[in-house]
Formats: sequence, structure tokens, C-alpha cells
Amino acid sequence: DSGVTQTPKHLITATGQRVTLRCSPRSGDLSVYWYQQSLDQGLQFLIQYYNGEERAKGNILERFSAQQFPDLHSELNLSSLELGDSALYFCASSPGPDQGKLFFGSGTQLSVL
Amino acid sequence: KNEVEQSPQNLTAQEGEFITINCSYSVGISALHWLQQHPGGGIVSLFMLSSGKKKHGRLIATINIQEKHSSLHITASHPRDSAVYICAVRGQGAQKLVFGQGTRLTINP
Repeated sequence: DSGVTQTPKHLITATGQRVTLRCSPRSGDLSVYWYQQSLDQGLQFLIQYYNGEERAKGNILERFSAQQFPDLHSELNLSSLELGDSALYFCASSPGPDQGKLFFGSGTQLSVL
Repeated sequence: KNEVEQSPQNLTAQEGEFITINCSYSVGISALHWLQQHPGGGIVSLFMLSSGKKKHGRLIATINIQEKHSSLHITASHPRDSAVYICAVRGQGAQKLVFGQGTRLTINP
């Protein structure tokens, strides 16, 4: 058990809808990272938050947004969903602002039908 | 050409064999990660290294900064080592990780 909790584990929704994925980092970790894993693109970094502030941005679409709350949990919001957004979304955490050893959650499998 | 290339893409071996997975990258890096993803999907960080060699149990990771190359070795392989192994690099001055496509390892009993 990594100590990182992601909910829900599975999500099935329709095109055009909006969903929220939730991540609770390991106790004491201040950084939260979001990654997308699709069959054709592999793992891609989306965004990082450190202690409530956005620290780094990757290949995150404008339809996607994230935030980190004062209790350090994070939410990834995906809107106007398309079929191509179907993927496994991982959250990871680490103690500091730079990407040291990462602790991954078990992922949220999103299926857009 | 991808920034991070892994080889082989797929590897099947017999239990007990010595396994080597390779990772080559094209940019200067500050760190390289090796990750393991089991069939259930969960990802575990195995190593983070920026120079030299690290060992944990039967796993050994090496990196050659000049040649922009890293290897992950598994000694006395076991069916429970069957997983996808992913190499990821953090460029110098960058925050994001760039991932290889992964190597699917199958160890047969």
C-alpha cells in the first residue's frame, strides 16, 4: 500500500459530461502529481501541485483542470469529455517540490462512451 | 524519435534467468526513474537515480550519464516479476517526467 488514495476506481460516463477524480496524498507529502495513461500515448504528466500551488504543467488539455486543497488532497476535473479521454488516470505524491521518489495511487479507470 | 526509448518492448524468459531492460534518452537529465506496473495496473517506484548504481534485493539499476543510458537488471527472475517496467526521466531544469513506452516482461515457471 503506497498510502496514496484515489477515488473512484472506475468511472463510466458519456461524451460531453464532466467528472471529478480525487486523490489523497501520502501523509506528510506536499506534492501531488496527475498522470494520464492511454494505450496509444503511454504515461503522460498532466500537472503538479505543491502545497496548494500549481508547480508544473504538462500535457494537460484546457478542458481539464486541477486544484489542491488546504488539507492537501487534490481533484482533477475533466469536462466536455470525449471518447479519447478514456484512460487510466494516476495520482502520485512526494514529500517535496521536486520529483523525488514517487508514491502512486491505484488509479482511476475512466471510460467515456 | 521519442525522448525516452526502451528496449526490448516485450521480453519473455524462464524462471531463474538474468534479465536486462534498457533505457536510452536524448536530453540531459537530473534524474531517472524506474517504475513497475503490475497487471492489475498499480505502479510502484523501484529506483530513482542520477548517477552510478543502485541495488534493492534482486533488482539493480545502473545509469551512464555520458552515454545517456540506463539499465534495469533482475537476477534470479521469478514469475512474480512479470510486469511492465517503465523508465522515466526528468530533464535538467524541468519539473515534468517524460516516460518511455515500457517493457512488458513475462517470466514463465
